[in-house]
Amino acid sequence: KQEVTQIPAALSVPEGENLVLNCSFTDSAIYNLQWFRQDPGKGLTSLLLIQSSQREQTSGRLNASLDKSSGRSTLYIAASQPGDSATYLCTSKIIFGSGTRLSIRP
Amino acid sequence: DAGVIQSPRHEVTEMGQEVTLRCKPISGHDYLFWYRQTMMRGLELLIYFNNNVPIDDSGMPEDRFSAKMPNASFSTLKIQPSEPRDSAVYFCASSLALGLNTEAFFGQGTRLTVV
Repeated sequence: KQEVTQIPAALSVPEGENLVLNCSFTDSAIYNLQWFRQDPGKGLTSLLLIQSSQREQTSGRLNASLDKSSGRSTLYIAASQPGDSATYLCTSKIIFGSGTRLSIRP
Repeated sequence: DAGVIQSPRHEVTEMGQEVTLRCKPISGHDYLFWYRQTMMRGLELLIYFNNNVPIDDSGMPEDRFSAKMPNASFSTLKIQPSEPRDSAVYFCASSLALGLNTEAFFGQGTRLTVV
């Protein structure tokens, strides 16, 4: 059964910094990997979907990479802003990681 | 499409009562998922359906939990009898498929409080 781990559990950085969130999974036979954002008390908003045949996907200041052989994905956020503060979750084979709670200090 | 619609948004009930959560998936999506989110355990998959048929219910915590999907546009998650430890946010999600380029879309969730 797929297990998904996210590190760090929480991260606080000053505005403007570039940062990387990590996601690892145990079963590399995946269809795709998806990153979500969740604001406090809200639902999940899809950020990026990487197909198993792809290496990365980009959307604005977000870039997600996928390395199936090592069972890892990273979410890179460039020039972070206070509005990026949220919990970021990754999912593989419909199993979710526990998320990284990101806080961007103005 | 209005997205995945869940109702109610909030539910407060007394221990022992029956609770029914409802979900309307995005039209045309063949897969429907029920998740539970708590601070302690994060987002847990409870059950998912494909074309209205339950495929994997291994995440359903106890027999007190049951889920149905009588048609392609409606699903319910029922807890009977409810207990305080069932308090959580319950999310419904749907997707076109489980294949390569299929995103999962989530509803806004139902916040359940059992007192």
